[in-house]
Amino acid sequence: NAGVTQTPKFRILKIGQSMTLQCTQDMNHNYMYWYRQDPGMGLKLIYYSVGAGITDKGEVPNGYNVSRSTTEDFPLRLELAAPSQTSVYFCASSTTGPVANYGYTFGSGTRLTVV
Amino acid sequence: GEDVEQSLFLSVREGDSSVINCTYTDSSSTYLYWYKQEPGAGLQLLTYIFSNMDMKQDQRLTVLLNKKDKHLSLRIADTQTGDSAIYFCAESMIKAAGNKLTFGGGTRVLVKP
Repeated sequence: NAGVTQTPKFRILKIGQSMTLQCTQDMNHNYMYWYRQDPGMGLKLIYYSVGAGITDKGEVPNGYNVSRSTTEDFPLRLELAAPSQTSVYFCASSTTGPVANYGYTFGSGTRLTVV
Repeated sequence: GEDVEQSLFLSVREGDSSVINCTYTDSSSTYLYWYKQEPGAGLQLLTYIFSNMDMKQDQRLTVLLNKKDKHLSLRIADTQTGDSAIYFCAESMIKAAGNKLTFGGGTRVLVKP
């Protein structure tokens, strides 16, 4: 049982390049999330999804896009990378089951630098 | 609105107790959580408390919730060097679609031998 898997772990992009951060989970969780973590700023929600085919914006969606074609996968796309997108990106998932399980399971993160 | 605040840093000696504090603003919070992040890793759920509880104990961890003051704390008894990490509190609201959590900025805990 792998949990939430993110790839790549590290990436350096040049300004204006594009890339996709991959996220997959094998726990059959309906809810999935993308957060970015800037130093000392905590986590900010970029996009989230409540099920396959359904996505919605979080606090900081500008410059990003997502899709959710399957329950397992929730890729995050950066179309025109900017230095302000230098951050650590975390994918997470959550069950819709009993309330006691409402905590998230996080991936180990992707550290992205835009130069 | 939703806002979760934490102090940035806490230094503690090994064997002492650590207390990490958090304040939140949304009175409709249903669950409050504590997550631990070790260097280079994702966040790991430590414990949670439902908003109708005042206290929850789980081995070395004690969570206290003061709903009137919107204050949450995490006490770690007999702090060990392995407890050095960043600790995040987070809140969820029943009205939030998709079970969204709002996180604080994190408290970096350094345990000195």
